[in-house]
Amino acid sequence: KAGVTQTPRYLIKTRGQQVTLSCSPISGHRSVSWYQQTPGQGLQFLFEYFSETQRNKGNFPGRFSGRQFSNSRSEMNVSTLELGDSALYLCASSSLTGGDGNEQFFGPGTRLTVL
Amino acid sequence: GDSVTQMEGPVTLSEEAFLTINCTYTATGYPSLFWYVQYPGEGLQLLLKATKADDKGSNKGFEATYRKETTSFHLEKGSVQVSDSAVYFCALSPLNFVFGPGTRLSVLP
Repeated sequence: KAGVTQTPRYLIKTRGQQVTLSCSPISGHRSVSWYQQTPGQGLQFLFEYFSETQRNKGNFPGRFSGRQFSNSRSEMNVSTLELGDSALYLCASSSLTGGDGNEQFFGPGTRLTVL
Repeated sequence: GDSVTQMEGPVTLSEEAFLTINCTYTATGYPSLFWYVQYPGEGLQLLLKATKADDKGSNKGFEATYRKETTSFHLEKGSVQVSDSAVYFCALSPLNFVFGPGTRLSVLP
């Protein structure tokens, strides 16, 4: 069974630009969660999608948005990039919702660098 | 809100030494508890989990017991190997995952 895939793996953008990251969950998984990982803030929850609906949202500004398609693939978008958005963005999928003890399977991440 | 506290390290040990990484949590209700590991350049992998009080999760020689009375989920391994060098994250999951800051472990030969 293929794991969680994320594209692209690396991305370099400049301030003010926007970026779209993609995540393909494990086949059959309907829940996709996104996290931002930085050395200073650690792993922070961005949002979770389940069956094309945003189920939970972390404490991030509205510049961060996401969506999920009918095949469970998910995208996250960051508009008006800031230097502080440089981070590793991790996607995780699970078979049910992200809570209730269901294991989350993580992708390798997309390393975003904002110059 | 829910939170996880863990020793941040770095922790440096010699091969075959005993490992303990402390993790305590604050949560309403009865969350599930997890340890994830992140090797350099990779995403997170589930190491072990426990879904209710007194459960013991174990995998690859690592163990952790869900202690509700002390709100703890300490990770232990009796004899670490160089290949265990990684960052370890304690996490809880009441609804969405809340991660601790991570503990970097370096094991020297």
